[in-house]
Amino acid sequence: SAVISQKPSRDICQRGTSLTIQCQVDSQVTMMFWYRQQPGQSLTLIATANQGSEATYESGFVIDKFPISRPNLTFSTLTVSNMSPEDSSIYLCSVDGGYGNIQYFGAGTRLSVL
Amino acid sequence: QKEVEQNSGPLSVPEGAIASLNCTYSDRGSQSFFWYRQYSGKSPELIMSIYSNGDKEDGRFTAQLNKASQYVSLLIRDSQPSDSATYLCAVIPFSGGYNKLIFGAGTRLAVHP
Repeated sequence: SAVISQKPSRDICQRGTSLTIQCQVDSQVTMMFWYRQQPGQSLTLIATANQGSEATYESGFVIDKFPISRPNLTFSTLTVSNMSPEDSSIYLCSVDGGYGNIQYFGAGTRLSVL
Repeated sequence: QKEVEQNSGPLSVPEGAIASLNCTYSDRGSQSFFWYRQYSGKSPELIMSIYSNGDKEDGRFTAQLNKASQYVSLLIRDSQPSDSATYLCAVIPFSGGYNKLIFGAGTRLAVHP
């Protein structure tokens, strides 16, 4: 499986500010994914990031709030913009494992917004 | 109807027993099914993947898939306290168009000594 590095691991932010989360993979991958896990909830897909194209957002998530970059096949960023306390969640990146549609997850970013 | 449904638990089993975790899904055309384990404060870890009807065994874990009944399960034999975690069922629906994982709410498993 791929080794996925995600940072920061946690952060405490003030409302109205923005945070950029980075996801680095040790091998080239076609698809990278960003998920949100709200407290006590399961994972919800925010968007899919393919290199060289615009990210594909799921219903309820918009680019202005969660801009995503995918500059190459090993790296992606997710920005949480104009944060409010409702954005307090764990944000996880995952990558396509290359076979069987398997996805592997990074360690996650635990975000608290005050 | 939720796309992937799981009993939230907690499911409490004694050490050494078989834990049975169940999941149903709504998209009949789904082809890929996964079980992830998530310890508190950690990210999901892949336990099993299954793609065709029947059983798939890996060590103490057995995944079972019945596409006609739209049902997938995970059996954990000889349960250990270290198996205590939330188990997430995930499905890639046919309608997804790409590798979009839909997660169930998860079942919390507690294995007591």
